Amino acid sequence: AQSVTQLGSHVSVSEGALVLLRCNYSSSVPPYLFWYVQYPNQGLQLLLKYTSAATLVKGINGFEAEFKKSETSFHLTKPSAHMSDAAEYFCAVSEFGTSYGKLTFGQGTILTVHP
Amino acid sequence: DGGITQSPKYLFRKEGQNVTLSCEQNLNHDAMYWYRQDPGQGLRLIYYSQIVNDFQKGDIAEGYSVSREKKESFPLTVTSAQKNPTAFYLCASSSGGGVTEAFFGQGTRLTVV
Repeated sequence: AQSVTQLGSHVSVSEGALVLLRCNYSSSVPPYLFWYVQYPNQGLQLLLKYTSAATLVKGINGFEAEFKKSETSFHLTKPSAHMSDAAEYFCAVSEFGTSYGKLTFGQGTILTVHP
Repeated sequence: DGGITQSPKYLFRKEGQNVTLSCEQNLNHDAMYWYRQDPGQGLRLIYYSQIVNDFQKGDIAEGYSVSREKKESFPLTVTSAQKNPTAFYLCASSSGGGVTEAFFGQGTRLTVV
């Protein structure tokens, strides 16, 4: 069975600082990987996705992530945090050959941005 | 505008009652999903359907039931057998036709009173 681990349930950064949210997965074959963002009491919005093309993936709002097969990681970064980035972030994986919405999620990381 | 509509946004249920959450999509997606979200646990798959009149159990299907009579609709019933139904429920849909991600609704928060 697949699993996703997000290191750190809470991450706090200052406005303008680097954002780094960590995600590691376990899968026997290279999966599809996703980062979603959720604002309070709302649904999930896709930030970016890796689907076996380029290993460095750029997403919306200045976020990017790098797929590293050797480390089974897909960490999310943003060079400069903005107050509007405060939200909960989820890493998710779907197994190759399965339906793209059949996802295994990490437990989420709440990002706080301080002025 | 295309999207996924979940209703109601907030729902209160008395213990022992069944309740049905609505999910409608106009994206022409074949597959639909129900997830449950609890604080600190991420999202867990309850049921999914890849085609009309067919659905499969996810990781936490006990105490839930679904139907898929129309492509656009995938209602979820939380039965009295679900021991801890208070949670945030999210519906999603996806298509296999070159689109490689799931789209989510705005969620329904169910509270047992």
